[in-house]
Amino acid sequence: DAGVTQSPTHLIKTRGQQVTLRCSPKSGHDTVSWYQQALGQGPQFIFQYYEEEERQRGNFPDRFSGHQFPNYSSELNVNALLLGDSALYLCASSFGLSSDNEQFFGPGTRLTVL
Amino acid sequence: SQQGEEDPQALSIQEGENATMNCSYKTSINNLQWYRQNSGRGLVHLILIRSNEREKHSGRLRVTLDTSKKSSSLLITASRAADTASYFCATDPSGGYQKVTFGTGTKLQVIP
Repeated sequence: DAGVTQSPTHLIKTRGQQVTLRCSPKSGHDTVSWYQQALGQGPQFIFQYYEEEERQRGNFPDRFSGHQFPNYSSELNVNALLLGDSALYLCASSFGLSSDNEQFFGPGTRLTVL
Repeated sequence: SQQGEEDPQALSIQEGENATMNCSYKTSINNLQWYRQNSGRGLVHLILIRSNEREKHSGRLRVTLDTSKKSSSLLITASRAADTASYFCATDPSGGYQKVTFGTGTKLQVIP
């Protein structure tokens, strides 16, 4: 049983560009959450998708957007990249929206903005 | 912003010793979870403790929760070199929907 997968593993972009990160949830999971983790910090919640809709959002600007597909996979899009967007982006999946359900994390995508 | 704050920020111990990490948080919670992260990779879920629980065990891990003090502790007994990692507490606010907020982490080094 495959766990949460993310692609690509690493990505280098320049300021002003746009990027799309992808996540496939663990089999049987229908909820996907995205986190940004700056170096030396804990992950910060970006948003959460369930039934193809954004259900919760953290304190991130509209440059950060997402999508969930009918097969529960998800994309994170970031427009007009800034140097400060350099971070490890983590995807987590779970079943349903209950806060008691364990989240499984993917290995992350390391984004470097030059 | 970070909800939880782990203490200490870094901890270095010898293999076989116990390691204790603490987490303090600010708002009421539905549950608190501890995660491990190796070298900037994905997080591994360790334990979830609900707000109505006081203590929970899983193998060599023991977690306590004191909601009156808004604090939790993670104890790793008989540590191993493989336990070297960063440990994060994560809180889920009351309200039902999952919106996990992580602390800043404790970096544990276990010296063989």
